[in-house]
Amino acid sequence: KQEVTQIPAALSVPEGENLVLNCSFTDSAIYNLQWFRQDPGKGLTSLLLIQSSQREQTSGRLNASLDKSSGRSTLYIAASQPGDSATYLCAVSLTGNQFYFGTGTSLTVIP
Amino acid sequence: KAGVTQTPRYLIKTRGQQVTLSCSPISGHRSVSWYQQTPGQGLQFLFEYFSETQRNKGNFPGRFSGRQFSNSRSEMNVSTLELGDSALYLCASSQGTGGNTEAFFGQGTRLTVV
Repeated sequence: KQEVTQIPAALSVPEGENLVLNCSFTDSAIYNLQWFRQDPGKGLTSLLLIQSSQREQTSGRLNASLDKSSGRSTLYIAASQPGDSATYLCAVSLTGNQFYFGTGTSLTVIP
Repeated sequence: KAGVTQTPRYLIKTRGQQVTLSCSPISGHRSVSWYQQTPGQGLQFLFEYFSETQRNKGNFPGRFSGRQFSNSRSEMNVSTLELGDSALYLCASSQGTGGNTEAFFGQGTRLTVV
């Protein structure tokens, strides 16, 4: 069974700092990996999708990398802003659209 | 382009009742999957439908069921509700089932069982 772990569970940083969120998974036979953000009481917003054949994806201040062989992904957020405060979730798909989610990293960016 | 729409947004039900939740995927998307989110267990996969067929099912009791219609809209049903079924239920839609398809989530239905 796929196990997904996210470290750290919570992170508090001052505005403007660069930060890295970590995700690890146990089964490397993944279809893809997606990073999402979730605001309190809301649904999930897709941030980046990395296909299994890709090494990284970038969108604006976000960069996600994937190392399938070691079962790791990182989400890099540059120049953090208070609006980035949310829970960040990593999800891996082994087949179709059946995702296994990590427990998330709760990020607080302090103005 | 409209996003994934889930209705209703909030529900309060009594133990033993049944409930039906609805999910309308993004136009053109044929795959819908459902997830349960609780503080203790996080996000857990319930089931996935593609072109009206259930492709995968998570480890939930038979009280949880779903279906998908020809227009790709999906419903999930929970019978004989238990207090532990209180959760945020999320559905996700995607165009297909390949590794290059991005999943988009709705805002969820918050179910409270009393």
